[in-house]
Amino acid sequence: EIVMTQSPATLSVSPGERATLSCRASQSINSNLAWYRQKPGQAPRLLIYGASTRATGIPARFSGSGSGTEFALTIASLQSEDFALYYCQQYNTWPLTFGGGTKVEI
Amino acid sequence: EVQLVESGGGLVQPGGSLRLSCEASGFTFSDYVMFWVRQAPGKGLEWVSAMSGTAFATYIADSVKGRFDISRDNSKNTVYLQMNSLRAEDTAVYYCAKGAVGGTVFNWFDSWGQGTLVTVAS
Repeated sequence: EIVMTQSPATLSVSPGERATLSCRASQSINSNLAWYRQKPGQAPRLLIYGASTRATGIPARFSGSGSGTEFALTIASLQSEDFALYYCQQYNTWPLTFGGGTKVEI
Repeated sequence: EVQLVESGGGLVQPGGSLRLSCEASGFTFSDYVMFWVRQAPGKGLEWVSAMSGTAFATYIADSVKGRFDISRDNSKNTVYLQMNSLRAEDTAVYYCAKGAVGGTVFNWFDSWGQGTLVTVAS
């Protein structure tokens, strides 16, 4: 099983600032990585797939990068709705696995 | 617009059974692998089960193998999760999710239901 490790566990930033979240895979997953945002009490929402492709309706302030084992999600200018939990997920190898999450807080 | 609506959650005693349902709309249901993903209180996401569009192939996580089973009725656009021999550690919100790309389990999830809470306690 591929282990996905996200860091940091918690990221404290101010509105309008830039945030960079990391996700590392225990072995290469090529570019088969997705990112999700989960607001409190809600289901996750797809942000990025293919490591760098924004999902439909996702604003340009979200960008993804990386391949192989190291990946990043960057939020260019944090809005109020971006203070939430973020998860990465690999779909290169069975079983599908998620990272433990990064909480972005004010 | 894709919609996924789960139902069937609730409180059940350890060792009991529960069947979750997820009714889908807004896409050609039989073309897509459907997934169940759970989230224990205050914890991360865990893939639980998946079933191919034709219902030919099923996938069950090791943590629930032998206790959970997935099925689907394409005539009703519904996928089910039968949960038996439930344990306290199965307590979680269970989400139904749609694979983004038709015909493969190597997938990300482009649509999620609102989730249904399963609580296993005496």
